[in-house]
Amino acid sequence: DIQMTQSPSSLSASVGDRVTITCQASQDISNYLNWYQQKPGKAPKLLIYDASNLETGVPSRFSGSGSGTDFTFTISSLQPEDIATYYCQQYDNLPPKTFGPGTKVDIK
Amino acid sequence: EVQLVESGGGLIQPGGSLRLSCAASGFTVSSNYMSWVRQAPGKGLEWVSVIYSGGSTYYADSVKGRFTISRDNSKNTLYLQMNSLRAEDTAVYYCARDKGWFDPWGQGTLVTVSS
Repeated sequence: DIQMTQSPSSLSASVGDRVTITCQASQDISNYLNWYQQKPGKAPKLLIYDASNLETGVPSRFSGSGSGTDFTFTISSLQPEDIATYYCQQYDNLPPKTFGPGTKVDIK
Repeated sequence: EVQLVESGGGLIQPGGSLRLSCAASGFTVSSNYMSWVRQAPGKGLEWVSVIYSGGSTYYADSVKGRFTISRDNSKNTLYLQMNSLRAEDTAVYYCARDKGWFDPWGQGTLVTVSS
């Protein structure tokens, strides 16, 4: 199975800061990498699919990049409503689909 | 509006069984891949099972042989039959349309396995 790692596991930043999260796959997954936001007590919400495609309705301050094994998720200007845990997820040819362990983002 | 609504969670004793339901609206379950994803309290997300539009099914190793995913096309509903439940199955269970990425998600239903 493909393993996913994320770093950092948590971060604290100021409103307006640029925030970057990295995700690494244990083998080449091309661009089959998605990013989700989860707020406490809520279901995850899709933000980015196929590494860099912004889901409809998601603010443009969110972006993703990468291919192969290394991926980056960026919030260009952190807003108070962005406080959440962010997960990457891969979907290679066959199951299982696996998630990264998550990155908890809060306001400094 | 595309929507998923789960039901069927609750408190169950170890070794017991439970069936979760996921009612879809705004799209057809049988024309899509559909997955269950769970989240243990305070933990991350774990994919559990998928049913393909053609009917093929796959399971995480942690639930293989104990859980069964199915659907009722007439009710546009997805199910997860969970048998031989263990304490480590305690989690919020989400259903989601699976396009490689999961979207939309249901609101989740809590399953607690405890004596």
